Amino acid sequence: GAGVSQSPSNKVTEKGKDVELRCDPISGHTALYWYRQSLGQGLEFLIYFQGNSAPDKSGLPSDRFSAERTGGSVSTLTIQRTQQEDSAVYLCASSLALNPGGMSANYGYTFGSGTRLTVV
Amino acid sequence: AQSVTQLDSHVSVSEGTPVLLRCNYSSSYSPSLFWYVQHPNKGLQLLLKYTSAATLVKGINGFEAEFKKSETSFHLTKPSAHMSDAAEYFCVSLDTGRRALTFGSGTRLQVQP
Repeated sequence: GAGVSQSPSNKVTEKGKDVELRCDPISGHTALYWYRQSLGQGLEFLIYFQGNSAPDKSGLPSDRFSAERTGGSVSTLTIQRTQQEDSAVYLCASSLALNPGGMSANYGYTFGSGTRLTVV
Repeated sequence: AQSVTQLDSHVSVSEGTPVLLRCNYSSSYSPSLFWYVQHPNKGLQLLLKYTSAATLVKGINGFEAEFKKSETSFHLTKPSAHMSDAAEYFCVSLDTGRRALTFGSGTRLQVQP
């Protein structure tokens, strides 16, 4: 598609339930990122996928959070046993592949519109 | 580790007056820096990016930013504010070590008529 697509746009869930958030990146973008924007906080890096390499999970706040990327395209962020502090906007971004030097060819990061998660 | 500090959480200007949104970065080497804008209920949009080609970077909607290594700053400016500029602005650096973007805490720009 023309942009990064995220679904659902809004999700309200009960505390303790599991949720899945979906990100469909721009076709051809091999790098995919998840970020979280909590009320009153800045944007927080969660996880990064690059091609078939092992993902960089260093930003995941707890083991209740996991993400996978199937076929190098669509990614799903799963939050198990949701807590109220998980309430935030979850943003997905994609970009072109990194060149061998480790720098993105044109820093073409494109963000989705986000999923607003509310845990009640 | 890289960090980005946005010096003002909130800036209010009158329509037609200049805009200055301040950003300082911390990096042990020449960083890649960006400014993103987020309008209410909209996704993040790239305004401009600095990648060492030129210290004065021009972006969309009349915004520009100047990279000043001596001051470790990358302030965002616009000569004349428009009502549609009211939004949240994020200064961002590329953390090549973690291959991810590091965001500042954001500056909310309010434009008064």
